[in-house]
Amino acid sequence: QVQLQQSGAELARPGASVKLSCKASGYTFTSYWMQWVKQRPGQGLEWIGAIYPGDGDTRYTQKFKGKATLTADKSSSTAYMQLSSLASEDSAVYYCARPDSSGYAFAYWGQGTLVTVSA
Amino acid sequence: DIVLTQSPASLAVSLGQRATISCKASQSVDYDGDSYMNWYQQKPGQPPKLLIYAASNLESGIPARFSGSGSGTDFTLNIHPVEEEDAATYYCQQSNEDPYTFGGGTKLEIK
Repeated sequence: QVQLQQSGAELARPGASVKLSCKASGYTFTSYWMQWVKQRPGQGLEWIGAIYPGDGDTRYTQKFKGKATLTADKSSSTAYMQLSSLASEDSAVYYCARPDSSGYAFAYWGQGTLVTVSA
Repeated sequence: DIVLTQSPASLAVSLGQRATISCKASQSVDYDGDSYMNWYQQKPGQPPKLLIYAASNLESGIPARFSGSGSGTDFTLNIHPVEEEDAATYYCQQSNEDPYTFGGGTKLEIK
């Protein structure tokens, strides 16, 4: 079965960077876009962007260009998101998600990684 | 970007009654005969769960009391009859064009 296992919680200082991981199993990693979604405490869902591990193609929403960098390692079936120049507004839970077979709805989700930015 | 406006922001529905949530898109999310609108349920401390895809298709394993309808810019999620376990926040999402935006969410309380 499809599983997305995300890395553990992060505590980072303002201005620092963190790299989150999402290890995929149960399907062909290179055949589906991996999506990333942000959720601030008590707030709604925000799409960050996506990466196609097959060829490394990436898409970002304008707001996250320069903030998030998506990469993927085909050898370990792991997707990564690096967040740079962290600020308090980056404190959130970050999810990776995989679309369904149609490619459009996010059918499979990781458990989320909590990032806390604090001095 | 396509803006999705959900209403109401919160609602309380009696057990066994109907809950109706609306999602209006700032432009059409239809393409080639399909409507690229999805609905998710999220409970505290959990990731979202896909309920409905392509406006009206029930995701595998989701109870038939959930249904979706609509096309173009106007979409609706219905839950009937509502059960205790349906207390959650519900989000619509368009996947017609990136960025794949979400609605602001609707919090459902069961009376």
